[in-house]
Amino acid sequence: DAKTTQPPSMDCAEGRAANLPCNHSTISGNEYVYWYRQIHSQGPQYIIHGLKNNETNEMASLIITEDRKSSTLILPHATLRDTAVYYCIVRSLNAGGTSYGKLTFGQGTILTVHP
Amino acid sequence: NAGVTQTPKFRILKIGQSMTLQCAQDMNHNYMYWYRQDPGMGLKLIYYSVGAGITDKGEVPNGYNVSRSTTEDFPLRLELAAPSQTSVYFCASSAALAGTQYFGPGTRLTVL
Repeated sequence: DAKTTQPPSMDCAEGRAANLPCNHSTISGNEYVYWYRQIHSQGPQYIIHGLKNNETNEMASLIITEDRKSSTLILPHATLRDTAVYYCIVRSLNAGGTSYGKLTFGQGTILTVHP
Repeated sequence: NAGVTQTPKFRILKIGQSMTLQCAQDMNHNYMYWYRQDPGMGLKLIYYSVGAGITDKGEVPNGYNVSRSTTEDFPLRLELAAPSQTSVYFCASSAALAGTQYFGPGTRLTVL
């Protein structure tokens, strides 16, 4: 399985963009990058996922480098409610891949948004 | 839709006791999962199910049992509780094995 590396913690001022990096240098061609977050004591919440193109939804944007070895999750206007642990996960959506179907959570990045 | 619901929210068990953690989903998802999360750690998969009557082990299945008699429900059974099972347990469901997983609010279990 491709592993991910994330900084253990980051800070962001309210209203500013939060840019959360993730390294996944051993990612294979059929593996997607997923982002989940976990607000204190709650179940993980799906944010976004992508393969190689940049993706955007109502919550965030995902920027994946051309070589796919790293990505950045962008919360464009962070609020206090975005304080959470953010998990970057590599996952195969094709049957036969070793990470097929699996969501393997590492320790993530603790994002603290301050006033 | 309620999504994924879990009961109870909190439970304290004595060593050797047994209990069942309940999980239900109303999204008609075939796939359901049980994870545990120890303090300061990521989630680890205990068991999962691909449909009624079909279950399989995840990363940390020892000490747990599951059954899936209906699409909606996926209970997790602890037969002989041990302090090492003190954790927060999350249930999740998805429409496909590689689909987005939606999580319940969790059950916080303490074994003393």
